[in-house]
Amino acid sequence: AQSVTQLDSQVPVFEEAPVELRCNYSSSVSVYLFWYVQYPNQGLQLLLKYLSGSTLVKGINGFEAEFNKSQTSFHLRKPSVHISDTAEYFCAVSDLEAGTALIFGKGTTLSVSS
Amino acid sequence: DSGVTQTPKHLITATGQRVTLRCSPRSGDLSVYWYQQSLDQGLQFLIQYYNGEERAKGNILERFSAQQFPDLHSELNLSSLELGDSALYFCASEDRVTGELFFGEGSRLTVL
Repeated sequence: AQSVTQLDSQVPVFEEAPVELRCNYSSSVSVYLFWYVQYPNQGLQLLLKYLSGSTLVKGINGFEAEFNKSQTSFHLRKPSVHISDTAEYFCAVSDLEAGTALIFGKGTTLSVSS
Repeated sequence: DSGVTQTPKHLITATGQRVTLRCSPRSGDLSVYWYQQSLDQGLQFLIQYYNGEERAKGNILERFSAQQFPDLHSELNLSSLELGDSALYFCASEDRVTGELFFGEGSRLTVL
């Protein structure tokens, strides 16, 4: 069965520093990949998605992610974070072959301080 | 605003009781998913409905059930509640083309 591993449960950074949140998924021929963000007391909101085409995907709020098929990774990056980026970030995969529901990682809490 | 509406936003009840959570998907979306989010288990897929039919089951307890009605709204029924059922329950509707899920703001259930 498909699974998603978010390698860091918590990532503390200072404002204006770069950040990378790591995500690996179990191997599959065809997948769609997503990053969602959850701000405190809110639902999940899509940051970006990879469906096909360019492996570098740009999303909202200055985030981007790179799909690496050989490493089965989909790491999320931002060159300069803001206090307002403090939230929980979820990586998710949709296995097109198995036709399963979206599978989420356990989440990474990004804490940005000044 | 995702377009997905969940009610109630907060619910406090006692062990042994039964509650119903309601979800209205985005206009045009046929598929509804239910997820449970708790501190120790993370975001767990419970069940999916597509156009009124159950499509997939995840880690859903036998005490829990769901249905999707002809108008496509869905209800998640939780019975014989236990303390461990306290969690945030999310509903999401699926874009038919991309598979992207649009989440509601969740229903926070507290079982005392």
